[in-house]
Amino acid sequence: QIQLVQSGAEVKKPGASVQISCEASGYTFTSYTIHWVRQAPGQRPEWMGWINGGYGTTRYSQTFQGRVTISRDTSVNTSYLEVSGLSSEDTAVYYCARGIMVRGATYYFDFWGQGALVTVSS
Amino acid sequence: QSVLTQPPSVSGTPGQRVTISCSGKSSNIGSNFVHWYHQVPGTAPKLLVYRNNERPSGVPDRFSGSKYGTSASLAISGLRSEDEADYYCAAWDDSLSDLVFGGGTKLTVL
Repeated sequence: QIQLVQSGAEVKKPGASVQISCEASGYTFTSYTIHWVRQAPGQRPEWMGWINGGYGTTRYSQTFQGRVTISRDTSVNTSYLEVSGLSSEDTAVYYCARGIMVRGATYYFDFWGQGALVTVSS
Repeated sequence: QSVLTQPPSVSGTPGQRVTISCSGKSSNIGSNFVHWYHQVPGTAPKLLVYRNNERPSGVPDRFSGSKYGTSASLAISGLRSEDEADYYCAAWDDSLSDLVFGGGTKLTVL
């Protein structure tokens, strides 16, 4: 069965960086995109960007451009999200999700990881 | 303030039919597909409806989506207690070049 398994919770200080992993199984990793979505407590989800599992190309939300890096390692079917310059506003659950293209660069997400809580506190 | 506007909450009794609206603009709902997700607090969102009105396998036909112009709706018939969750609409926004989510609607089954 298709699964996305993320790394565990993190606690970081303001100004630090965090890296979260997302290991995919049950499908051909290189045939799909992996998207990253974050959700602050009590808030709506926010799309952060995606990576093409095969080509490695990326696209980022303008909200996060320059502060977020999405990468992947096809040898272990894993995508990584790195967020730098953390502030308390980055405290959120970060999800990875498999993307299905519907038209052009637009997607919906059919499978999601379990989420990774990142807490930013001094 | 979300780009896509949803009512904060809706409620219904078991067996009833409820609808959740999602209002947008020509740059998002008006020109792109709408997708719906539901989320039980503390768990990851799950896909409920994609491409306006299609259901993934395993989602019962009690859930149906529709889109008219710059608005979309999710209808849930035969309401059950396990339908209690937060519901989010999502669509690509051509002006923002961003995927946007609605503010979410909390469904309570009385």
